[in-house]
Amino acid sequence: DAGVIQSPRHEVTEMGQEVTLRCKPISGHDYLFWYRQTMMRGLELLIYFNNNVPIDDSGMPEDRFSAKMPNASFSTLKIQPSEPRDSAVYFCASSLAGRQYNEQFFGPGTRLTVL
Amino acid sequence: AQTVTQSQPEMSVQEAETVTLSCTYDTSESNYYLFWYKQPPSRQMILVIRQEAYKQQNATENRFSVNFQKAAKSFSLKISDSQLGDTAMYFCAFMKHGSGTASKLTFGTGTRLQVTL
Repeated sequence: DAGVIQSPRHEVTEMGQEVTLRCKPISGHDYLFWYRQTMMRGLELLIYFNNNVPIDDSGMPEDRFSAKMPNASFSTLKIQPSEPRDSAVYFCASSLAGRQYNEQFFGPGTRLTVL
Repeated sequence: AQTVTQSQPEMSVQEAETVTLSCTYDTSESNYYLFWYKQPPSRQMILVIRQEAYKQQNATENRFSVNFQKAAKSFSLKISDSQLGDTAMYFCAFMKHGSGTASKLTFGTGTRLQVTL
């Protein structure tokens, strides 16, 4: 399996622009997580899905952020409008419930820079 | 809510020596998982080792081992025979155990480990 795939790997945009981050989980996994990593706040969960349904979005910072999972093999995280404080590395991870340790497999991350 | 604390922002160790990274956590859960993740400069999150709270035996993975003290809520990582490739950020993480369900990871702030010649 190719592992969790994220695109783009790097994104540079200007304040006010819409940004869309994409994730393809490992085939067969039923959970998908979006995490954000910043120097100030470390690694924190934004939202996670089970069988394409959002379970916990309490980490989504504000209405400018939205996440969707239209099918089992694709998820997006959208920021509109983007702000400089959104600059961070965004990770997607997937897991299979019932697997030992419920281990989460991480993608390579998307480094977002908002100018 | 769970919290994870890593009190050592940076550590340094010489090649071939042993180093221990500290982690404490706070939870009211009785069953859970604990993990150590490694993040090299490539920023890829790599699982190093994991522990189930109800297992008393400490986990080991080759040169990596943990000292899990459930009563003290402590979960330290020992790296033996340190190698230059161990240079990375190390994150301690907590996950609530769910029967047939998954849960989020709660991370500590990380320890930056530098392995020197």
